[in-house]
Amino acid sequence: QVQLQESGPGLVKPSGTLSLTCAVSGGSISSTNWWSWVRQPPGKGLEWIGEMYHLGSTNYNPSLKSRVTISVDKSKNQFSLNLTSVTAADTAVYFCAKKSAGILSGYSPWGQGTLVTVSS
Amino acid sequence: DIQMTQSPSSLSASVGDRVTIACRASQNTNNYLNWYQQKSGKAPKLLIYGASTLQNGVPSRFSGSGSGTEFTLTISGLQPEDFATYYCQQTYSIPRTFGQGTQVDLK
Repeated sequence: QVQLQESGPGLVKPSGTLSLTCAVSGGSISSTNWWSWVRQPPGKGLEWIGEMYHLGSTNYNPSLKSRVTISVDKSKNQFSLNLTSVTAADTAVYFCAKKSAGILSGYSPWGQGTLVTVSS
Repeated sequence: DIQMTQSPSSLSASVGDRVTIACRASQNTNNYLNWYQQKSGKAPKLLIYGASTLQNGVPSRFSGSGSGTEFTLTISGLQPEDFATYYCQQTYSIPRTFGQGTQVDLK
């Protein structure tokens, strides 16, 4: 059973880069899945950030596309999120999640989430 | 972007009640529609995918229906552990947008 675990700094300075990693256990990151990031500002709803297919193709939210990079490290069985030029509006709980490559699949499982605060 | 609108934004219900949450998409999603449950401080949990298919391990009191742009999540016989926030999400196009959420609390 696949499990996901986010890690990374909990505090990032404005204009800096937010970098998070999602470790995948119980399965291979090279399996046929989309590896995804979703965020949730405190007290608000869910916002889809983007995803990477196991073969390397990516999809990003156009609202964040100029600042986002999702990458995969097969040797470590993990994938990462980089978000540049952050502001207070990027303060949120960041979740990683898996979406099977099946046409009508949803996002499952999810990591527990990690709070990232953008502040000086 | 496909806009997802849920109604109501919140509702109060009692244990045993039948609860219905609606989700409307601004464009046809071809049934690429998922439902999630999120409890406070926890990650979302997938309940329904493909508009009506129950995720493995999810109780059968949860059901999904609808097609095109109109979808419904029904909880038949609300249980104490069902008090949570529910989100719909379309995965038909990029970006994969969520509804704003429906909070279900105890009457």
